[in-house]
Amino acid sequence: QQQVKQSPQSLIVQKGGISIINCAYENTAFDYFPWYQQFPGKGPALLIAIRPDVSEKKEGRFTISFNKSAKQFSLHIMDSQPGDSATYFCAASSGGYQKVTFGIGTKLQVIP
Amino acid sequence: GAVVSQHPSRVICKSGTSVKIECRSLDFQATTMFWYRQFPKKSLMLMATSNEGSKATYEQGVEKDKFLINHASLTLSTLTVTSAHPEDSSFYICSARPVGQFYEQYFGPGTRLTVT
Repeated sequence: QQQVKQSPQSLIVQKGGISIINCAYENTAFDYFPWYQQFPGKGPALLIAIRPDVSEKKEGRFTISFNKSAKQFSLHIMDSQPGDSATYFCAASSGGYQKVTFGIGTKLQVIP
Repeated sequence: GAVVSQHPSRVICKSGTSVKIECRSLDFQATTMFWYRQFPKKSLMLMATSNEGSKATYEQGVEKDKFLINHASLTLSTLTVTSAHPEDSSFYICSARPVGQFYEQYFGPGTRLTVT
């Protein structure tokens, strides 16, 4: 049972463009939604996270948009760069101290 | 800050032997550490949750006698793959949750295990 559905599984964006990755969840108890960036052969790194009390969070070129009623959240990467080429995972957890449920991942390739 | 290390980064072992992977939080204390397994081009699969000083909680389908987890201190957790077989070959990643934090967890760089 995939509790966090992520799309697309792969994405090719031109340098300078906007990369958008979408996630949807079913469990209304989820209250923490992080995004992780993973380079080949490395562990995931926390990129940005949001709680459901806000609809948007921005850190540099990375923005999370959150729609609580639709149970959806997305990652926007502005001015995408080749160095952003990596796999991105959305995730969700509930209630604090709880395990994190990951999406399937999106492989992003930013081409010059 | 929030650096997690894993050792070794790569290990090759023969079928039937055991291998131990260490996960350390370098600049913070962690009451909870997690162990994941990741297959090529796949998402992370949680294997177990490890709390300092207590027995690990294993996810459904994960053999606790095969994947031994010890969390002896607030900065160290170990995963021992016992009687390894080629199907245990995978990328093993740990993460650690700092003391007092409810949500964030920080990942180690991973350990590539190859069983021949």
